[in-house]
Amino acid sequence: DAMVIQNPRYQVTQFGKPVTLSCSQTLNHNVMYWYQQKSSQAPKLLFHYYDKDFNNEADTPDNFQSRRPNTSFCFLDIRSPGLGDAAMYLCATNSGEGYEQYFGPGTRLTVT
Amino acid sequence: RKEVEQDPGPFNVPEGATVAFNCTYSNSASQSFFWYRQDCRKEPKLLMSVYSSGNEDGRFTAQLNRASQYISLLIRDSKLSDSATYLCVVRVSGGYNKLIFGAGTRLAVHP
Repeated sequence: DAMVIQNPRYQVTQFGKPVTLSCSQTLNHNVMYWYQQKSSQAPKLLFHYYDKDFNNEADTPDNFQSRRPNTSFCFLDIRSPGLGDAAMYLCATNSGEGYEQYFGPGTRLTVT
Repeated sequence: RKEVEQDPGPFNVPEGATVAFNCTYSNSASQSFFWYRQDCRKEPKLLMSVYSSGNEDGRFTAQLNRASQYISLLIRDSKLSDSATYLCVVRVSGGYNKLIFGAGTRLAVHP
């Protein structure tokens, strides 16, 4: 059974055209994270939520926004994608008690 | 300087070999340590936590040296299915269970 679901798995967008990536979870976890991972690089944390409490990383560009309307869903909005934003975007969850993060399969974003 | 540094590899080893990966981290206040495994074009998955006393899970042994800020992973009797990228991960303070990932060491096990 899928626990962290990301849609779509592959997304193509045009330079400058806003795009939204979605993540949902059936684990009822309090914490949700968005990471960006470029080829052969480490997953880089963009932001995370504890319930509705939003935590932005200092070096996350303003071009990236996030919404968490309820426990199950979290969205990543890229307002004006540039070529450098092409990457795998990974969503993860954590119960808030143990340390393990559970990752979704990722959305691979291509910017043309 | 990266917060978590790993040799990118690749390590190409035959089945049955023993292989060791190393990792260093820069934040002395790092609180917990892990190895995650990431298969090609897939998501990372927790392989094992790393404890100061060292710990073993089957063919996998992890060690932590806090004084040197150094973490290791040893894989014995390598299997073809061990081929993957191994990510060294540290938990840091601030936020909620924030993890900092290394870029990973790629392992290729061949027949």
